[in-house]
Amino acid sequence: SQTIHQWPATLVQPVGSPLSLECTVEGTSNPNLYWYRQAAGRGLQLLFYSVGIGQISSEVPQNLSASRPQDRQFILSSKKLLLSDSGFYLCAWSPDRGSQPQHFGDGTRLSIL
Amino acid sequence: SQQGEEDPQALSIQEGENATMNCSYKTSINNLQWYRQNSGRGLVHLILIRSNEREKHSGRLRVTLDTSKKSSSLLITASRAADTASYFCATAAPNRDDKIIFGKGTRLHILP
Repeated sequence: SQTIHQWPATLVQPVGSPLSLECTVEGTSNPNLYWYRQAAGRGLQLLFYSVGIGQISSEVPQNLSASRPQDRQFILSSKKLLLSDSGFYLCAWSPDRGSQPQHFGDGTRLSIL
Repeated sequence: SQQGEEDPQALSIQEGENATMNCSYKTSINNLQWYRQNSGRGLVHLILIRSNEREKHSGRLRVTLDTSKKSSSLLITASRAADTASYFCATAAPNRDDKIIFGKGTRLHILP
């Protein structure tokens, strides 16, 4: 069966520090991968999605970036965090093609001080 | 931009009662999906209904879709304490590749 792992679960970082959040998927190949951010009490905002290794689409201009160095690995990064980067970050995968249901990790709660 | 809008924003009902949540959207869709999110956790997919379907069931869940009104409803029958969560609808559109757009969700609280 397929599983998705996302870490860390909680992260507290100072303003201006770098960020690296990692997401890996097991049990499937060539998945679509997604990074979302969820503000408190709000819906999900799509940040990045990827349909293959090295293929990244950015949905929202910001100081975050994403990379997909391997088929089932998706990384969210920042060189310098802002206060506004605080939030709940969720990684998800879906089978390639066809607007299929997405399967989510347990999220990372990021607090910027 | 937000595509789906859930209504109500929050709902409290007694255990055993039925809970109904609604979702409205603006553009044509390929399918509409409902997800559940327990506090502090990731979303869990519940059910997908295609644009040519009108009703779908899964256990205690019943989803309807009215494409003429651009709306969907999620009914949870015989609610349980474990159903306490936020529920989101998400739409997949023909011109949006494999991306889906989530609404802001309905917070459901089941009272003992």
